[in-house]
Amino acid sequence: EAGVAQSPRYKIIEKRQSVAFWCNPISGHATLYWYQQILGQGPKLLIQFQNNGVVDDSQLPKDRFSAERLKGVDSTLKIQPAKLEDSAVYLCASSPAEAFGAGTRLSVL
Amino acid sequence: GQNIDQPTEMTATEGAIVQINCTYQTSGFNGLFWYQQHAGEAPTFLSYNVLDGLEEKGRFSSFLSRSKGYSYLLLKELQMKDSASYLCAVPASGGSYIPTFGRGTSLIVHP
Repeated sequence: EAGVAQSPRYKIIEKRQSVAFWCNPISGHATLYWYQQILGQGPKLLIQFQNNGVVDDSQLPKDRFSAERLKGVDSTLKIQPAKLEDSAVYLCASSPAEAFGAGTRLSVL
Repeated sequence: GQNIDQPTEMTATEGAIVQINCTYQTSGFNGLFWYQQHAGEAPTFLSYNVLDGLEEKGRFSSFLSRSKGYSYLLLKELQMKDSASYLCAVPASGGSYIPTFGRGTSLIVHP
């Protein structure tokens, strides 16, 4: 069974630029999550999708972050414009069996 | 909301046993997860406890006491590769199963 796929693995941008991350969950997994993990901390949930609908986005900074899952399969997370404090690893996970992707490490300079 | 507390860092010797504790407060309980995360990698699922007691899975065991809001992860016969961060997580209340993570315990295993 293929795991959760994420791309890119690494991204370096300057503050105020835009960036997008992509996630393809495990086939058949209806639930998809995006987490932000700042160095030295546990992952923090940003948004949860059930199929193509948003279930929980209470911790998503909506002034700059957006996410979509138009066809209920893969998803994109966008940051526009990025700030220095957005430097983190962005993890995608799908369930059941809460499998995580390898993550995208974002550095904002 | 959820409040999760676990030690920041622990050290242990190869071949020894280590217990990583986790206390939690949550308005509704939907089980407790333990994940292992090596540096630079994604978390990997270790265990999910929903009932009180000890669940053993090879060298790793996880214990839960719902009345005390307490769990621990027990690692036996430690190996160098067990050096990692161990994350305790409880799902949010209201019927959700989304893991809300603690800060994690960084375990360093030395020879």
